[in-house]
Amino acid sequence: DAGVTQSPTHLIKTRGQQVTLRCSPKSGHDTVSWYQQALGQGPQFIFQYYEEEERQRGNFPDRFSGHQFPNYSSELNVNALLLGDSALYLCASSYSEDYRNYGYTFGSGTRLTVV
Amino acid sequence: TQLLEQSPQFLSIQEGENLTVYCNSSSVFSSLQWYRQEPGEGPVLLVTVVTGGEVKKLKRLTFQFGDARKDSSLHITAAQPGDTGLYLCAGSPKDYNQGGKLIFGQGTELSVKP
Repeated sequence: DAGVTQSPTHLIKTRGQQVTLRCSPKSGHDTVSWYQQALGQGPQFIFQYYEEEERQRGNFPDRFSGHQFPNYSSELNVNALLLGDSALYLCASSYSEDYRNYGYTFGSGTRLTVV
Repeated sequence: TQLLEQSPQFLSIQEGENLTVYCNSSSVFSSLQWYRQEPGEGPVLLVTVVTGGEVKKLKRLTFQFGDARKDSSLHITAAQPGDTGLYLCAGSPKDYNQGGKLIFGQGTELSVKP
């Protein structure tokens, strides 16, 4: 049973460019969350998608946007990239409210470097 | 803003030693999770604690949730080199309106030397 799949694994972009990261949740999971993890830090919540809608959002600017598709997969888009956007972007999936008791399944992440 | 303060940030010990990692907050959480993350990988769930005062054991790892559900600890007995990694605590806010958001601590980088 495949876990959470993220693509690409690594990405290098130039300041001002736009990037799209992709995530396929674990089979049976319907909720997808995105986190940003700077080097040496814990992950920071970006937003969560459920039933193709953004259910909750963290303290990230509007440059960060997302989408969830009918098959529960998700995309994270970042516009006008800044050097400070360089980080590991993690996708996490769960089945609805089960995360409270059973946690999230995380992907291996996309390492984004902005130069 | 809810925060989770994790300590220590770095820990380097010899194989066979015991250690404890702490996770503290002024806020109440409905549940708290501990994850382990290795370089180049995403966090992997170790345990979820839900009830205040709850203690869970996973082989040589013991997890405790504070009575007031504001803090937690992870104790490792007789650490082994395979325990090396980044340990993260993550709290689920008590406020249901905060939905599926997890608040992570800064992490504890553990190195166990043979």
